[in-house]
Amino acid sequence: QSALTQPASLSGSPGQSITISCTGSSRDVGNYNLVSWYQQHPGKVPRLIIYEGSKRPSGVSDRFSGSKSGNTASLTISGLQVEDEADYYCCAYAGSRKFWVFGGGTKLTVL
Amino acid sequence: QVHLVQSGAEVKKPGASVKVSCTASGYTFSGYSMNWVRQAPGQGLEWMGRINPISGGTNYAQKFQGRVTMTRDTSTSTAYMELTNLRSDDTAVYYCARDCDGGDCMDVWGKGTTVTVSS
Repeated sequence: QSALTQPASLSGSPGQSITISCTGSSRDVGNYNLVSWYQQHPGKVPRLIIYEGSKRPSGVSDRFSGSKSGNTASLTISGLQVEDEADYYCCAYAGSRKFWVFGGGTKLTVL
Repeated sequence: QVHLVQSGAEVKKPGASVKVSCTASGYTFSGYSMNWVRQAPGQGLEWMGRINPISGGTNYAQKFQGRVTMTRDTSTSTAYMELTNLRSDDTAVYYCARDCDGGDCMDVWGKGTTVTVSS
């Protein structure tokens, strides 16, 4: 059982926007602004797309955005494209003992 | 170009140990901590621990305490992850992943090492 809770699957149509939630607790998501998001296509290596809750690394499309409210972080993908079909994982800092915890992942299908 | 090159696939019997290497290039190895993350077949990502390449200090996920050891060799820019007393549910792809600049994410990942535990 993952420390962070994500919906197992979501779907959307090209051009739509979707939001993936990542619910933690006051010991991780709610206590630090250190949530990152990773995209993983089947058989591929995870790729960082959001860090510090809402920042995008160089080269990541501005269609990806992140936010946080209380103990829940969110990843929004606007203008869905077929190539956005992938698994998405949130990751949060949980203090100096547990350090990093991942969500269970969300499989995004673009119909 | 920053690269993390991992060692090849391993097949181990239950109870055995495995040691996976991760050789860094394209950046100053001592400047960034290295994380290890695993992914069982069809499952999600699981953080195992990290090592500070300067001090050698480590943080391990509680689940792996006592079974995992992370080390580094700064002369070859290589990080190692050894997992002992392997079980079938340790079958997974093991990734090394570099800390981001601020230590607040993982920005560069190795291609992964498949470890299969089977009798």
